[in-house]
Amino acid sequence: QLVLTQSPSASASLGASVKLTCTLSSGHSSYAIAWHQQQPEKGPRYLMKLNSDGSHTRGDGIPDRFSGSSSGAERYLTISSLQSEDEADYYCQTWDTGLRVFGTGTKVTVL
Amino acid sequence: EVQLVESGGGLVQPGGSLRLSCAASGFTVSSNYMSWVRQAPGKGLEWVSLINRGGSTYYADSVKGRFTISRDNSKNTLYLQMNSLRAEDTAVYYCARDSDYFDYWGQGALVTVSS
Repeated sequence: QLVLTQSPSASASLGASVKLTCTLSSGHSSYAIAWHQQQPEKGPRYLMKLNSDGSHTRGDGIPDRFSGSSSGAERYLTISSLQSEDEADYYCQTWDTGLRVFGTGTKVTVL
Repeated sequence: EVQLVESGGGLVQPGGSLRLSCAASGFTVSSNYMSWVRQAPGKGLEWVSLINRGGSTYYADSVKGRFTISRDNSKNTLYLQMNSLRAEDTAVYYCARDSDYFDYWGQGALVTVSS
């Protein structure tokens, strides 16, 4: 079964960096994922597609403070130079034929 | 510029029906996969349904047999027909362009199922 696991919360200080983790279920370590951001009271926004080799493609207008990397079944989102507007929920998402799957989301707090 | 605008949300009684629309601009709906995603109050994102370029449709188990996704190519619009609605279907419903991942999202339409 295709499942994505995320930690419920993360925090870091203004101007620092934070690294979020999304773990693919057993047998699915080669899958690509996408990261999405949802700011409070707003709809989701696509951040990037992240491949198993760590290569990634950001969405329109996404700053390079947002970067992705991969190791085995783990997919990471690193946000550098944290800003107040980065306080949001972050969801990873993957896919198979006729199926789309979200992780449970990580709430990022900027201290 | 790609835009997706949902409409048709509202309050409906349990067992009732509602149809959501998603008007697209800046790209052609029929040339893309399209999906519906929902978010219950205070909860995470849940994929609901997708339609591919060929018109094949797929559904989450939670809505299979009750919801129907479709599109009108002449209007460049995506639809979600929701029947036999339950309280647990209460959510904001988003349409999204589906490139396997959702690269463009609408602003959402609130559906409330309550008596």
